[in-house]
Amino acid sequence: AQRVTQPEKLLSVFKGAPVELKCNYSYSGSPELFWYVQYSRQRLQLLLRHISRESIKGFTADLNKGETSFHLKKPFAQEEDSAMYYCALSGSGGSNYKLTFGKGTLLTVNP
Amino acid sequence: DAGVTQSPTHLIKTRGQHVTLRCSPISGHKSVSWYQQVLGQGPQFIFQYYEKEERGRGNFPDRFSARQFPNYSSELNVNALLLGDSALYLCASSLENKQYFGPGTRLTVT
Repeated sequence: AQRVTQPEKLLSVFKGAPVELKCNYSYSGSPELFWYVQYSRQRLQLLLRHISRESIKGFTADLNKGETSFHLKKPFAQEEDSAMYYCALSGSGGSNYKLTFGKGTLLTVNP
Repeated sequence: DAGVTQSPTHLIKTRGQHVTLRCSPISGHKSVSWYQQVLGQGPQFIFQYYEKEERGRGNFPDRFSARQFPNYSSELNVNALLLGDSALYLCASSLENKQYFGPGTRLTVT
């Protein structure tokens, strides 16, 4: 069974502080990991995926297969980063049609 | 491109009724997935369709069904509605394993 755990329901930081949103997963195989973000009154949108190894809006995430983690990091948080963040996983090969989401972390960046 | 579109935006139904939700994918996307998002939870996978064939189904009862049309749009049907079916229903179209979500349909069952 595949499972995604986001241990923090709420995370509050001050502008300019580093931020890390935690994500752990369970999957027997080679998963593909994603971070999705939902800003207030907007639709869910892809922030980044691990195979791209890119930085979007200053966010990065590294897949750690040993610790089965895919934490999202940003060195200096901005107020516009305040949003709901979801970590998600899809399987490899024939099972890659389905995204399994965590429960989400609501990030608030205070001025 | 307007992105993935869904209709209606909001819907209120009574227990026992039937509901049909609609989704239009991004042009060129042949795959559509449906998710249910209950308040305080992440989206939960219901179905995926690709080229009009069901490719996967989540852990939902048979009251939930879907189909995809030749133009790749899709419908999600839910029969015998229960109070617990109240949720935001999300549609996503995908290309190269990247899913693009619509704004959702908010279903309230009373």
